[in-house]
Amino acid sequence: QKEVEQDPGPLSVPEGAIVSLNCTYSNSAFQYFMWYRQYSRKGPELLMYTYSSGNKEDGRFTAQVDKSSKYISLFIRDSQPSDSATYLCEMSSYNFNKFYFGSGTKLNVKP
Amino acid sequence: DTAVSQTPKYLVTQMGNDKSIKCEQNLGHDTMYWYKQDSKKFLKIMFSYNNKELIINETVPNRFSPKSPDKAHLNLHINSLELGDSAVYFCASSQSGTGGRTDTQYFGPGTRLTVL
Repeated sequence: QKEVEQDPGPLSVPEGAIVSLNCTYSNSAFQYFMWYRQYSRKGPELLMYTYSSGNKEDGRFTAQVDKSSKYISLFIRDSQPSDSATYLCEMSSYNFNKFYFGSGTKLNVKP
Repeated sequence: DTAVSQTPKYLVTQMGNDKSIKCEQNLGHDTMYWYKQDSKKFLKIMFSYNNKELIINETVPNRFSPKSPDKAHLNLHINSLELGDSAVYFCASSQSGTGGRTDTQYFGPGTRLTVL
């Protein structure tokens, strides 16, 4: 079993839709949870960074962590065509010596 | 100004060759990383250096050898290239004095390696 599982998509939504992206994990030692956005032929860029459980909001983006279910989500409100990219989740343990990425979900927001 | 830069951007080479990829960061960060991203977008850590010292060395063939001449540079040398080495290689850096990562990683643009 992989440390982190993420549906590769592609996920296609109309402009303005609410998008939900998810990752599941198996290692209960993970404490830090990150979401990255990667445009085609570019490096990943950090979107959201959450420690332990709970929600974190930044503009149209909300990151949610449910440690009891080992499940994290990224919500995008009022999605825009410029949100079309691959979204990767990443998780690490408290000492950061082990960290794992999901395989990424490709999102396409249609105008 | 480019924060994390990599050269070359594209690299096409024959099996069995030796090649190097260079990475430089001008952010003053202490920690640098090499990742491999395969065709399915799976991003896997290969190495991490903190202040020129190897911190993370995942299970990677010893044909891959990182070299850090100073904390702003982390180069990746690959010997005897194989078809399976074809991937995009990303360099990244983060500000950390402990060897672990406590904050944002900044990624380079990637080097697309194709082994024929």
